[in-house]
Amino acid sequence: DAGVIQSPRHEVTEMGQEVTLRCKPISGHDYLFWYRQTMMRGLELLIYFNNNVPIDDSGMPEDRFSAKMPNASFSTLKIQPSEPRDSAVYFCASSSSYVFGGGGYNEQFFGPGTRLTVL
Amino acid sequence: GENVEQHPSTLSVQEGDSAVIKCTYSDSASNYFPWYKQELGKRPQLIIDIRSNVGEKKDQRIAVTLNKTAKHFSLHITETQPEDSAVYFCAAVSGTYKYIFGTGTRLKVLA
Repeated sequence: DAGVIQSPRHEVTEMGQEVTLRCKPISGHDYLFWYRQTMMRGLELLIYFNNNVPIDDSGMPEDRFSAKMPNASFSTLKIQPSEPRDSAVYFCASSSSYVFGGGGYNEQFFGPGTRLTVL
Repeated sequence: GENVEQHPSTLSVQEGDSAVIKCTYSDSASNYFPWYKQELGKRPQLIIDIRSNVGEKKDQRIAVTLNKTAKHFSLHITETQPEDSAVYFCAAVSGTYKYIFGTGTRLKVLA
């Protein structure tokens, strides 16, 4: 398995532009998480999905952020319009609740991250 | 809201010494506590985890202890090596599978 795949790996854009980050989870995983990492705030959970359904989006900073998971193998995180304070590394992670007989308390596999710079 | 405090933020130890990182969580419903290691420029990776029905777990040079009454859990690394240098994150997870991460500890192992 190739692991969690994210694209692009690096994104540089100008303030006001729309940014779309993409994630392909590990096949068979039923949970998908989006995180933002900055020096100041550490690793923040933005939103997570279970079986393609958003479960908790309380970490999404504001309405400029939106996330979708149209199917089990693809998710997007969109920022529109982007601002300089959105500059961060965005990680996608997936996990399976089917390990150890069930339950969600299992390893999250992180993607390589997307480094976003908004000028 | 839910919160996980992690200390220290930076830690320097001599090679061969032990390192201890401590976390405190606020949500009493938390029942799963993983630890992730992130090397510079890399993705976080799970190194050890513990569930609430266990007080201690060990894997070679790494151990984790949990005190549910005090809402504390700690990571212990013995016989540290230069390759242990990284940022370590603790997390507390509740029944909704919402991961709350600590702010991280930058560990430096000095040769």
